[in-house]
Formats: sequence, structure tokens, C-alpha cells
Amino acid sequence: ILNVEQSPQSLHVQEGDSTNFTCSFPSSNFYALHWYRWETAKSPEALFVMTLNGDEKKKGRISATLNTKEGYSYLYIKGSQPEDSATYLCAFEGGSYIPTFGRGTSLIVHP
Amino acid sequence: GAVVSQHPSRVICKSGTSVKIECRSLDFQATTMFWYRQFPKQSLMLMATSNEGSKATYEQGVEKDKFLINHASLTLSTLTVTSAHPEDSSFYICSANTGQGSNDEQFFGPGTRLTVL
Repeated sequence: ILNVEQSPQSLHVQEGDSTNFTCSFPSSNFYALHWYRWETAKSPEALFVMTLNGDEKKKGRISATLNTKEGYSYLYIKGSQPEDSATYLCAFEGGSYIPTFGRGTSLIVHP
Repeated sequence: GAVVSQHPSRVICKSGTSVKIECRSLDFQATTMFWYRQFPKQSLMLMATSNEGSKATYEQGVEKDKFLINHASLTLSTLTVTSAHPEDSSFYICSANTGQGSNDEQFFGPGTRLTVL
């Protein structure tokens, strides 16, 4: 069983704060690391697919970094807005190409 | 992005009945679809990988006779929970791969909340 962990489990921030959370995954047999944004009653939305060590990707105020050698990825949100409130999931793809998901980080941004 | 639909979104049934959940890729063909289950406060857990035209591959601990998967076409996979029991109450979500090699993306359906009374 692959161990994919996300921390913190939940996070409350004020509007305008910048925040970040972590996804840790096995450092061997790496293929890809996915980040998803998941709002209740909606499909998870794919944010990033990261494949190379040292990758940094950005989408608006959201960015992510990847370190495959030590097995972690950070997701950053700059200037959080209430509409950023969601669960952020990471998923690790190893040699089987089937993703293993973390439990997610629940972000709540207070106005 | 690509769209994956799931039907129904919510179902409540009596113990012992069977429930069918449909997963459709609306604007792309998906040779591979995945079925996941999530119990409260737990990770999404992969149940099975569904390949069009062949038998599904089930994860360890998932009973294939209880969770019947049929991937009849490139746009439709169905999961049937047979003789459902209260412990089967969960959130079931499917995803579909675009199958574009290194550009492969996975898109999720909105999920189905199953409650077995």
C-alpha cells in the first residue's frame, strides 16, 4: 500500500492570507504527481500534473513545486479568497500509473 | 476541460437491493475508467480499473461479484452494487482517462452518494 500523506488535514485562513500545504509520497518509482481542487458536490478539478523533479507550475494565484528525490510537493495559494475554499487533493502515480490519493487538505477562507 | 458525468448523484435504497451507477465521458473517448470509493474522513480508494471491452481489474479486498463493472463502450462504464448493505453506504466516484500518453489527463465525475438503509 502506497503512503500518500497530506498536511494539514484542514486549514482556516483569513481572506488575503497566503497559505501552503504539503503532499508527501514515495520517493521511488515516481511517474507523476497530480493536484486536484475539489468542491463539495462537484467533480475534482485537475490543477497540475507534475512529472519532473524541480517542476514549478503556476495557475493564477495557485502554484506548486515538486521534489521527487525527497518525495514531497507543496501547493501555494497567494492572497487567498473565499472562493478558494475547497478540498485540495494530491495523487501519486507510480509505476502502475494508477493514482493513489491523499486524504486532502480542507481549506476554508474566511471573508 | 473534458466532462465526465455520473448518474444518479444520490441514491437511497433498502438493504438487499442492487444499485447501478453510470459513468459517462461526454466529449471524449475513454478506454480506461476508474471507480473509487470514499468513506468519511478517508482517502479516495481505488476499487477497480475498467477497460473497454475487457474484464475490470479489481483492487485487493474489493469483491468483484459484489461490485460488478461493465465498460460496454468507450464512453460508458457502469458499477452495480449487488445486494447492497448499510456498510456499502459511501461516496462512489468515477474518473476517465483521455488516453493521450504523456499528456494523459484524468477527469472525475461528480460522484454518487449511496445510502443503504
